Amino acid sequence: QKEVEQDPGPLSVPEGAIVSLNCTYSNSAFQYFMWYRQYSRKGPELLMYTYSSGNKEDGRFTAQVDKSSKYISLFIRDSQPSDSATYLCAMTNGGSQGNLIFGKGTKLSVKP
Amino acid sequence: DAGITQSPRHKVTETGTPVTLRCHQTENHRYMYWYRQDPGHGLRLIHYSYGVKDTDKGEVSDGYSVSRSKTEDFLLTLESATSSQTSVYFCATRGPLSGNTIYFGEGSWLTVV
Repeated sequence: QKEVEQDPGPLSVPEGAIVSLNCTYSNSAFQYFMWYRQYSRKGPELLMYTYSSGNKEDGRFTAQVDKSSKYISLFIRDSQPSDSATYLCAMTNGGSQGNLIFGKGTKLSVKP
Repeated sequence: DAGITQSPRHKVTETGTPVTLRCHQTENHRYMYWYRQDPGHGLRLIHYSYGVKDTDKGEVSDGYSVSRSKTEDFLLTLESATSSQTSVYFCATRGPLSGNTIYFGEGSWLTVV
């Protein structure tokens, strides 16, 4: 079993839809969870950062962490064509050399 | 913007030749990383550094070496390039104010023919 599983998609939705992106993980030591957005031929950029369980909201984006289920989600409300990108989840147990473990990414396309 | 510059951004090289990719950062971040990204594999850590002259191997380090002689520069060397090393390479950094998050450069596209 991979440490982090993420459905690669592709996921295609109409503009204005609510998008749900998910990752599951196996390592219960993970405490820090991130979502990165990557546009085509660009480097990943940090979108959301959460610690432990709970929700975090930033504009149209909401990140949820359920440590009991080892499941994290990213919700995008009122999706826009500019949200079309690949979304990568990442997580770590922290510490000075706690390296991030990435999901393989979900490719999202928002159609006008 | 984490002030990360990668060079070259694009390179085509022949099998068996050495190749060096450079990562330069302006944020004085202690940690630096080299990843490769491939379809079906996602981002995989090659090597990382936790200080000048302090480096360690990542998940896919075979065929790669790194050096860090200054805080701002982290070099990735392919000693003898192979076609399996055709990929896009990303440098990333982490600093004291970034928590456990890392910031990526724009990538270096390498083709080995």
